[in-house]
Amino acid sequence: GESVGLHLPTLSVQEGDNSIINCAYSNSASDYFIWYKQESGKGPQFIIDIRSNMDKRQGQRVTVLLNKTVKHLSLQIAATQPGDSAVYFCAETVMNRDDKIIFGKGTRLHILP
Amino acid sequence: GAGVSQTPSNKVTEKGKYVELRCDPISGHTALYWYRQSLGQGPEFLIYFQGTGAADDSGLPNDRFFAVRPEGSVSTLKIQRTERGDSAVYLCASSLRDGYGYTFGSGTRLTVV
Repeated sequence: GESVGLHLPTLSVQEGDNSIINCAYSNSASDYFIWYKQESGKGPQFIIDIRSNMDKRQGQRVTVLLNKTVKHLSLQIAATQPGDSAVYFCAETVMNRDDKIIFGKGTRLHILP
Repeated sequence: GAGVSQTPSNKVTEKGKYVELRCDPISGHTALYWYRQSLGQGPEFLIYFQGTGAADDSGLPNDRFFAVRPEGSVSTLKIQRTERGDSAVYLCASSLRDGYGYTFGSGTRLTVV
């Protein structure tokens, strides 16, 4: 069925280092992917998205990579800061089909001082 | 409004009681989504509205759950005969018709005792 999963439930990274969070998706029809950040007590917050006609997209300190061949998505955070501590979810959907966004279980990013 | 507003932020109810959770979407967003998030899990889709109609209610777990959006703006999620297993954070999101601009509220934490 449709599902999005993450390989590691917790990732610890030294402050200032780069973080890489990985995600596998299973629905070949998905054409739009989003990364969300969720802090304690808050709803998911949009970070960056990518459409299936692209394999890389960059934002401010964040980069998303999409490999459709192996159905893999990753989020790279440059120069990780304490404020990056949160749970990160990747999500997928099929655009223009009025479809819902499917979330994975999330990866908790822990920043070491 | 500036964001998606959900009320109440916290709700404690006794097993067997009826509860209503409210969502005020971003002005102009025609699509509205309800999700449920259990501890340590990603948000799980419940129901999606396009305007006043429920376009997809495939995620509602059973007939104790019902949602309405009578005027195409505010939505109410209704849970009858609550059970302890209903305890979770209920998230609402809204978006433009084409699915872009997906924005989540902070959620309602429901605890059934």
